[in-house]
Order: sequence, then structure tokens, then C-alpha cells
Amino acid sequence: QVQLQESGPGLVKPSQTLSLTCTVSGDSISTFSYYWTWIRQPAGKGLEWIGRIYSGGSTNYDPSLKSRVTMSVDTSKNQFSLKLSSMTASDTAVYYCARGGGRGFDQWGQGTLVTVSS
Amino acid sequence: SFELTQPLSVSVALGQTATITCGGGNIKNKNVNWYQQRPGQAPILVIYRDTSRPSGIPERFSGSHSGTTATLTITKAQAGDEADYYCQVWDNNSGVFGGGTTLTVL
Repeated sequence: QVQLQESGPGLVKPSQTLSLTCTVSGDSISTFSYYWTWIRQPAGKGLEWIGRIYSGGSTNYDPSLKSRVTMSVDTSKNQFSLKLSSMTASDTAVYYCARGGGRGFDQWGQGTLVTVSS
Repeated sequence: SFELTQPLSVSVALGQTATITCGGGNIKNKNVNWYQQRPGQAPILVIYRDTSRPSGIPERFSGSHSGTTATLTITKAQAGDEADYYCQVWDNNSGVFGGGTTLTVL
């Protein structure tokens, strides 16, 4: 069974760049049918889609975050990553990685809380 | 920007049927997915492509889509169904979530 696990710092200073990694187990990240997604959720609020990446490296980003987001994939490690620059307090949220495909986001990581504070 | 509208909250008596709607924009020709998020947990997919149910999701959960409104229906509601529910579509290669609906089972 596929599992996803986010990792990265829980605390980021304002203006810095957040770097998160999602490690996939139980499935190859190179599987053609799927793409790999980041989603976040501020405390007490709804889900926000950040972007997705295919194993070949092509990406789609949310227009409101596009100027600050970079996603990458490392097929040798079965991982994909998120970088979000110029962090502010409004970026404080639980960040989820998820597998997506024709059936929606069918597998999710447990989420990791990222707090932006000096 | 594309927006999906959901009711903030829905209440249902134990054992009765709950319906949660999702509309707005032009979702007429879009597939709608639904996610359940229990408190403190990651979301899980409960309905995909409007009406399909992933393996392991009870038959009590069903989806429908007519015109600009998609609906998640939960029959014989149980206490364990108390959660936030989100609809989701794709618009111009961007994922879009509805604002979420809190389901309370009375």
C-alpha cells in the first residue's frame, strides 16, 4: 500500500524559503498514471491546492502562488519536493503531500505543520 | 478565479440522510471529487468523478452531479461521519477546493 510522508522544518522565519520533501513508499513515483501534489491548510480553514508535478518534471502551480513556488522530483529517491519563497505569517499551515490521478487525490501524507515566525 | 460554493454546515440526525452540495462557476462539464476530513486527520477521498466510490468507502456514501451542482449524499448517518467535507475540481490545470462543509450528526 502506498504511503506518503512529509518532512521538513516546522519553523521558518519570515522572508525565508520553505523546503519540504515528500517520500513515497509502496509505489514508484515514476508511475505514468499519477502526479504528485502539495496541498496546505491554515489552522481552522479549508484546503488550498499549491501545485502538482509529474515524474517527468512538468508542473502546474496555483496562480496565486506561482511566483513563489518551485516543485521538483527525485525519482532515484522516490521523493518530490516543494520550495515556497518569501514566507510570511499567512503561509503558516499544515502542508500535505498527496498522490493524484484520474481518481482525484487518492493517497495523502499525514501532514506537517509549518509555522512562520521570527 | 474559479470558486466552488458549499454550505458552511449541515446537520443530520443519527441514522438519517445528509446531503452536501457543491456548486458555482461552471462545473457542468467538470468531474467532482469529494474528501472527508475528520478532526486532526488528513483528508481521504470518498467520491471521485462525480459518482464513483474508492474501495473501502461504505456504500452509504454516494455522489451525483446535475448541471452546476454536485451533491454528496450520506445515508444512515453515523457518529463517525462527523467531519469536514470538501468538493474539488480541476480548472485550467489548477486544483480548486470548495470551502468545506462541517457535518454534524445529532
